[in-house]
Amino acid sequence: ETGVTQSPTHLIKTRGQQVTLRCSSQSGHNTVSWYQQALGQGPQFIFQYYREEENGRGNFPPRFSGLQFPNYSSELNVNALELDDSALYLCASTEGPNTDTQYFGPGTRLTVL
Amino acid sequence: DAKTTQPNSMESNEEEPVHLPCNHSTISGTDYIHWYRQLPSQGPEYVIHGLTSNVNNRMASLAIAEDRKSSTLILHRATLRDAAVYYCILRDYNNNDMRFGAGTRLTVKP
Repeated sequence: ETGVTQSPTHLIKTRGQQVTLRCSSQSGHNTVSWYQQALGQGPQFIFQYYREEENGRGNFPPRFSGLQFPNYSSELNVNALELDDSALYLCASTEGPNTDTQYFGPGTRLTVL
Repeated sequence: DAKTTQPNSMESNEEEPVHLPCNHSTISGTDYIHWYRQLPSQGPEYVIHGLTSNVNNRMASLAIAEDRKSSTLILHRATLRDAAVYYCILRDYNNNDMRFGAGTRLTVKP
């Protein structure tokens, strides 16, 4: 059984650019949630995707958007990057939207210069 | 939104019990209390969760105050591998929002 994987591991962008981060959910899981973790802080919920539809959103602006594909993998897109977007981006998958245990990937470290 | 408050750091000796406190005085009736931990360079890992009653699993125990305004994660015998940041989280299943606190960094001394 393959766990949650994310790509890329690290990337560097400049302010104003756009970025796409990818997440492959654990086998058998149809729900993916995305989190932003700034340095020294706890993760902050961005949104959740269930069966290719957004199923809950945290307090993030519309320039944070996502997709989920038929195989339940997911993308996080961030437009018009700002310096404060520098963070570790984590995705977590679950068997369903209300399943108790979320399985997190190792994250993508984004640096915005 | 309700939030959690945890001590920034705690220390423990190996093979001794550890009690990690969490305050959530504005918790709503539908919020579940979850605990995750995050080892260096890894994503968070589920530890335990509960609503009102105390809970036990192979990793830890969760003691929830009767008024639900606080809870305590109990590691019965700390090992060096338990050194991590422990997050107390309120989870609202209605909108799938998991609200993490700043976490407690646990150091385990041999």
